[in-house]
Amino acid sequence: GAGVSQSPRYKVAKRGQDVALRCDPISGHVSLFWYQQALGQGPEFLTYFQNEAQLDKSGLPSDRFFAERPEGSVSTLKIQRTQQEDSAVYLCASSLAGSGTEAFFGQGTRLTVV
Amino acid sequence: KQEVTQIPAALSVPEGENLVLNCSFTDSAIYNLQWFRQDPGKGLTSLLLIQSSQREQTSGRLNASLDKSSGRSTLYIAASQPGDSATYLCAVHYTGANSKLTFGKGITLSVRP
Repeated sequence: GAGVSQSPRYKVAKRGQDVALRCDPISGHVSLFWYQQALGQGPEFLTYFQNEAQLDKSGLPSDRFFAERPEGSVSTLKIQRTQQEDSAVYLCASSLAGSGTEAFFGQGTRLTVV
Repeated sequence: KQEVTQIPAALSVPEGENLVLNCSFTDSAIYNLQWFRQDPGKGLTSLLLIQSSQREQTSGRLNASLDKSSGRSTLYIAASQPGDSATYLCAVHYTGANSKLTFGKGITLSVRP
């Protein structure tokens, strides 16, 4: 596609509900990243894939967060048993390769947990 | 700890003014630095990418500089316009950081007509 696409754009979840956020990276981009952005803050790294391999998940805040990219293209970020502190914008980015290449971001998914 | 700082958090200028947005980082061992623009409720738009071997990059009215030794980057915006109003984020790719970007909190710019 022309850019990084994320869906849904907005998600309201009741506390305790599971959610799944989808990211379609730019075609041919090897690297894919998930970031979490709280209101008024810069994005914080969650996890990184190179093709289908999850090379870094050090930013995932708890074991309720899980990400996958099974075929090296589309990625899904899953949050189980959502809590109010999970409310944030979740941004996906992709880049052609790894170090030194430009990162392109999607529009984000705004998650509100009520 | 590898951090990125952007001060001030907000800036308001009259239309037509040339302005400089500052970014500082704590470790000179970087691959590159990237400046982004974020409009309210939107994702991040990449403005400029400066590799560690470069001193500056230019795109239209934007010019970004990089000084690794002092841990600083600046984004220069010439002849500012109301349409430039947005939040500007600086992000650093530190070496050994497995390709992830470390972001500052951003500077919210308002250009008054």
